[in-house]
Amino acid sequence: QLVLTQSPSASASLGASVRLTCTLSSGHSTYAIAWHQQQPEKSPRFLMKLNSDGSHRKGDGISDRFSGSSSGAERYLIISSLQSDDEADYYCQTWGTGVVVFGGGTKLTVL
Amino acid sequence: QVQLVESGGGVVQPGRSLRLSCAASGFTFSSYAMHWVRQAPGKGLEWVAFIWSDGSSEYYADSVKGRFTISRDNSKNTLSLQMDSLRTEDTAVYYCARMDLGGLDWFLDYWGEGNLVSVSS
Repeated sequence: QLVLTQSPSASASLGASVRLTCTLSSGHSTYAIAWHQQQPEKSPRFLMKLNSDGSHRKGDGISDRFSGSSSGAERYLIISSLQSDDEADYYCQTWGTGVVVFGGGTKLTVL
Repeated sequence: QVQLVESGGGVVQPGRSLRLSCAASGFTFSSYAMHWVRQAPGKGLEWVAFIWSDGSSEYYADSVKGRFTISRDNSKNTLSLQMDSLRTEDTAVYYCARMDLGGLDWFLDYWGEGNLVSVSS
C-alpha cells in the first residue's frame, strides 16, 4: 500500500536551515513526490516536484531558499535562511494508478 | 494568472446533497486534468477525486466512491463535485486543484481558495 510518512512537527530558529522528511512505504522507493506548503488559514501552495534522483522542479515564484533532495525512500524539503512566514504545515504528496496520497503533514515552527 | 474559485458550499443535513463548483481562469482549462481535495477541521489533506482533461476518466477515493461524482464543462471552464448521501465525516474545506500538464505526473500545481462544507443536523 502506498503510504507517505511525515513527522508531525519540526522547529528551527529564524535564519537557520531545516530539513523536513517524507518517507515512502516499502516497495515505492522510486516514486516521485510533490511538496506543498500551507500557511495558517490559507490554501495549500505547490512548492516543488521531487524525483527519486533528487532532481526537482519548483512551482512558479518559489524562492531559491526552498530545495529538495532524495535518498532511498526518503524525500527531503530543505528550507534555508528561515523566515517567520515559513511557519506553516508542509505536506508531501505522491500518486499511483488512479490514486493520490498525502502524507500527514509536518507543522514547522520558526523560533 | 491561474485562478481557481470554489463555490456552492454551506451547511447541509446528513443524507442530503450539495454541489460544489470551481471556476477556472488564466489557463487553458480543457488541457488540464483536475482534482478535488478536502481538509477536515484541524486535519490534513485528503484526496477526493480526479477527472481527466476531456472528462473521459474519473477516479475516486474509497471514502466517497458511489456517493460523489466529479464532472467538468470545458465550454464554461468549470469543474464540479456532486456530493450525495452526505455524512458528518464529509465536513471539510473542499479545494479544487489543477494537475500538472502532461498527465503522467499527478502532482497538483495550483490550488483554489477552498470552500467549506458542513454536514450537521
